[in-house]
Amino acid sequence: DTTVKQNPRYKLARVGKPVNLICSQTMNHDTMYWYQKKPNQAPKLLLFYYDKILNREADTFEKFQSSRPNNSFCSLYIGSAGLEYSAMYLCASSRGGAGQDTQYFGPGTRLLVL
Amino acid sequence: GDSVTQTKGPVTLSEGTSLTVNCSYETKQYPTLFWYVQYPGEGPQLLFKVPKANEKGSNRGFEATYDKGTTSFHLQKASVQESDSAVYYCVLGGASGSWQLIFGSGTQLTVMP
Repeated sequence: DTTVKQNPRYKLARVGKPVNLICSQTMNHDTMYWYQKKPNQAPKLLLFYYDKILNREADTFEKFQSSRPNNSFCSLYIGSAGLEYSAMYLCASSRGGAGQDTQYFGPGTRLLVL
Repeated sequence: GDSVTQTKGPVTLSEGTSLTVNCSYETKQYPTLFWYVQYPGEGPQLLFKVPKANEKGSNRGFEATYDKGTTSFHLQKASVQESDSAVYYCVLGGASGSWQLIFGSGTQLTVMP
């Protein structure tokens, strides 16, 4: 089973309110990723966990937080949502990392901030 | 920096015609190249990957050759079907020692019956 699951599939949030997105995989993959995708743009890596170590991209360091309580689950947390956070959020996992392993993507969570 | 440039869509074809989606990449390292495909309501999924230069990858009738000389990885299919309608992404992985995948902007393909 190569399924990555994401919840919820759709999320409506108010400006200034927190948002928590959930991802799970049962492939025992070491690495889990979060991407942000806006219309007509390429998916953009926000952060990833390799085992228990979190790596955040420099330009998103303060905007997103994450936790990985166990190998299967990973969350993406926005403390105070702004209009610019409206996007599709894609979770992915891979057995290893270093960009050469196949990443398996979930269906995404569409976030709309009003 | 590392980047990927691919055919801007949308592309509309009739069933049975041939497809080429151009992809060029820039990197100073030796990346793995991927084509991912995304169907409506789903996340991107691997079509195929090629880890080494001058090798070809293929799946479901799609193919691409990792050409280090021209830094290209064009996607081709001889005869498209309506079920091929999707967004296709050319992707660079492992460039500059990075763990991230660098996606092209995607090419929306619609195949008319």
